[in-house]
Amino acid sequence: DTEVTQTPKHLVMGMTNKKSLKCEQHMGHRAMYWYKQKAKKPPELMFVYSYEKLSINESVPSRFSPECPNSSLLNLHLHALQPEDSALYLCASSQDRGLLRRAGELFFGEGSRLTVL
Amino acid sequence: GQQVMQIPQYQHVQEGEDFTTYCNSSTTLSNIQWYKQRPGGHPVFLIQLVKSGEVKKQKRLTFQFGEAKKNSSLHITATQTTDVGTYFCAYAGGTSYGKLTFGQGTILTVHP
Repeated sequence: DTEVTQTPKHLVMGMTNKKSLKCEQHMGHRAMYWYKQKAKKPPELMFVYSYEKLSINESVPSRFSPECPNSSLLNLHLHALQPEDSALYLCASSQDRGLLRRAGELFFGEGSRLTVL
Repeated sequence: GQQVMQIPQYQHVQEGEDFTTYCNSSTTLSNIQWYKQRPGGHPVFLIQLVKSGEVKKQKRLTFQFGEAKKNSSLHITATQTTDVGTYFCAYAGGTSYGKLTFGQGTILTVHP
C-alpha cells in the first residue's frame, strides 16, 4: 500500500468539463509533485511544490492548474482538456533536501487514470 | 542539455536467466535513482546511488554507478516472474532544484 493517496482512481470527462484530481500524504514531506504518464512511456514531470510554493512548472498548458492548500494536500484542477491529455496522472512526495540539488526518494500514489472524450 | 539513454527498451527472458538494464549519460550525474513499475501499477523506489563507483545489492538485484558518474546499471540474477515490470532510472537534471527526470525505461518480460 502506498502512503500517498490519490482520488479519484479513474476519471472520464468531456472537453468542456471542470474536474480536480486530489492527492494527500501524511509523511511530513514538504515536496510534492505531479507527473503525467502515457502508456509505455516514463513519467513526465509537470509541477513541483516545495513548502507549499510552486517551484517548478514544466511549461504545462494553463488548462492544468495546480494548487497546494497545505503541506499534506496537492490538487490538480482540470479545465477544457483535450483528448491527448488522457493519461495516468501520478502524484508523488519526498523529503525536502533544502539547498541540495540531490532529489530525494519519491513516494508515488497509485495514480488517477484520466480519459478525456 | 543533459541526455540520458536507457537500454534496452524491451527485454524478454526465461525465468532463471539474468537481466541487465543500463543508463548512460552524456554528462556527469550528481546521483541516480532506480524505480520499478509493475504492469498497471505506480513507480516504486528501489535505490539511490550517489558515489562514484558505488555498488549496492538488494537480494538478487545489483546496482552500480560508474566511476565517472555517467552510467549506471541494474542487474537481476536468476529472474523470477515477480520481476516483471518496467525499470526506470531517474536523475536530478538541469539547474532546477527537485527536478527528477526519468529514463525511457526497460520493459522486462519473464517467461515461466
